[in-house]
Amino acid sequence: DARVTQTPRDKVTEMGQEVTMRCQPILGHNTVFWYRQTMMQGLELLAYFRNRAPLDDSGMPKDRFSAEMPDATLATLKIQPSEPRDSAVYFCASGGDRGELFFGEGSRLTVL
Amino acid sequence: GDSVTQMEGPVTLSEEAFLTINCTYTATGYPSLFWYVQYPGEGLQLLLKATKADDKGSNKGFEATYRKETTSFHLEKGSVQVSDSAVYFCALTRNTGGFKTIFGAGTRLFVKA
Repeated sequence: DARVTQTPRDKVTEMGQEVTMRCQPILGHNTVFWYRQTMMQGLELLAYFRNRAPLDDSGMPKDRFSAEMPDATLATLKIQPSEPRDSAVYFCASGGDRGELFFGEGSRLTVL
Repeated sequence: GDSVTQMEGPVTLSEEAFLTINCTYTATGYPSLFWYVQYPGEGLQLLLKATKADDKGSNKGFEATYRKETTSFHLEKGSVQVSDSAVYFCALTRNTGGFKTIFGAGTRLFVKA
């Protein structure tokens, strides 16, 4: 059963630490998205890639966030340095050419 | 820019009641429209979709019709169950060289037994 895999599922860290979240998209999907979900802001699009090329990262704070796809089976979202306001659930989703997205179970980040 | 507006929740219904969750959108061209559902502790999953005007998407008793004249895609179900309690997201996608998907704020549904 094909699915999007995200790690870690839960991460607690202290302010100022680096955090890296990883995502394995579904094999054959050519679009990968990173979303952030909070109670206050809902679901925010941070960045997305098509065929591993970044298409839009305008939703991402550039000074501390970075997103990459080193290969077709791995997408990463890095926060350095992390801040308490980054606490949220981060979702990765992948999709093909029909526009439907398949979401991972999310990475819950708590920054103390 | 593109946007999706959903009715605010939470929506609380008794089992077997009729459900409507309103969704309207703003977009240029002809986007595809989707409803996703999120159960506690899980990621979003696709519930139904419609890709052109007057299309009706349906799944698990839920339906939504793509209305271009009113730019709406309201979600309906004739008889809700306790297991339908979840957060429902309306979304649109346009092929801008990649299928960028914009989500509404989500509507939480509680169904009481």
